[in-house]
Amino acid sequence: EPEVTQTPSHQVTQMGQEVILRCVPISNHLYFYWYRQILGQKVEFLVSFYNNEISEKSEIFDDQFSVERPDGSNFTLKIRSTKLEDSAMYFCASSEASGRGGYTFGSGTRLTVV
Amino acid sequence: EDQVTQSPEALRLQEGESSSLNCSYTVSGLRGLFWYRQDPGKGPEFLFTLYSAGEEKEKERLKATLTKKESFLHITAPKPEDSATYLCAVQAYNNNDMRFGAGTRLTVKP
Repeated sequence: EPEVTQTPSHQVTQMGQEVILRCVPISNHLYFYWYRQILGQKVEFLVSFYNNEISEKSEIFDDQFSVERPDGSNFTLKIRSTKLEDSAMYFCASSEASGRGGYTFGSGTRLTVV
Repeated sequence: EDQVTQSPEALRLQEGESSSLNCSYTVSGLRGLFWYRQDPGKGPEFLFTLYSAGEEKEKERLKATLTKKESFLHITAPKPEDSATYLCAVQAYNNNDMRFGAGTRLTVKP
């Protein structure tokens, strides 16, 4: 069964550093998403991406964050000047159409900012 | 503002003891209501999408139903492997994101 692949599975970074989280969505999917889940809290929407541009973003997704699809297969989330409160699981997801049939989520990257 | 409330927060069942999880929602124009299963340290795994009141979907021991205000996930004769957190999420017509509830943590004891 097709999968969304995320790397790395765990990333530890010093406060103030930049991190790039990587995702390979399912190949025939057109919509891509980033969500995060702080330990013990809800899964929160960050951003959606379609046709090589951001289609929607939440209030969490400020200038500290950016997304990119550098080639035909990868989808990245860059977090600049990381803060302690950025520590969370970051999930990438993809879907064929906008929401219909549900999203396929990756296994996540656990980001720990120290 | 779109809201999703799940209850109970946690549920402990004996193997074979059927029960239901609730998801109450408020959304301006429901495009879809989604149920996911999440195991510890993993991403949500898609179970069902429901689009309109009265719709029902089934998969093995799980059955999801939808009204205009809430959705239920019925679990019939659960097994220990059904233990997980079950997440409900809604998507509205006027935006592209999916808003999740806090989940119900289900434990099924043998």
